Amino acid sequence: GAVVSQHPSRVICKSGTSVKIECRSLDFQATTMFWYRQFPKQSLMLMATSNEGSKATYEQGVEKDKFLINHASLTLSTLTVTSAHPEDSSFYICSARDGGAFGNTIYFGEGSWLTVV
Amino acid sequence: QQPVQSPQAVILREGEDAVINCSSSKALYSVHWYRQKHGEAPVFLMILLKGGEQKGHEKISASFNEKKQQSSLYLTASQLSYSGTYFCGTNAGGTSYGKLTFGQGTILTVHP
Repeated sequence: GAVVSQHPSRVICKSGTSVKIECRSLDFQATTMFWYRQFPKQSLMLMATSNEGSKATYEQGVEKDKFLINHASLTLSTLTVTSAHPEDSSFYICSARDGGAFGNTIYFGEGSWLTVV
Repeated sequence: QQPVQSPQAVILREGEDAVINCSSSKALYSVHWYRQKHGEAPVFLMILLKGGEQKGHEKISASFNEKKQQSSLYLTASQLSYSGTYFCGTNAGGTSYGKLTFGQGTILTVHP
């Protein structure tokens, strides 16, 4: 079946630095991908919609200058957390819709644990 | 707006059944169910599209009542592996398809 791959799975960075997370659709093309954030014991909250070839659409309250999203190709979206702070520590997860042979299923990547120290 | 899931938590013994409900105040096009184990990504269970269909996956099935904007997930003869947090994700369709709003989750614990 369709697979969405996310990298890295875990990353630790120093406060003030930037970190990039990649999301790839491995066997289908995704013109749209989605980035979510999940704090411990909470639900997944949509951060932004990543659109191939155009600017991302951010949800209310999400700083677009802090969370940079680039959808460079039909199979790759990246999320860069800039000037990271400890409060940015969270589980970041992407999803992509496969509207092709597998129908309208939305698949999630494995997620990335970010710890800012 | 976030859909509301009920119950918030449920404890079962192996072999028992459970129902998890998901209710939205908005018109829905689809409801997506996922199970997430601690420290892992959500795993897709099933999708229900507008039309009130019911789907099944082994001993897990679900229904979608579009008039009431409600979906229910049915787990029968529960197994230890069913333990985890269940999330429903809702979508209004149209240009927003793929964009899911998740409920707060239902923690399911299955004991031997």
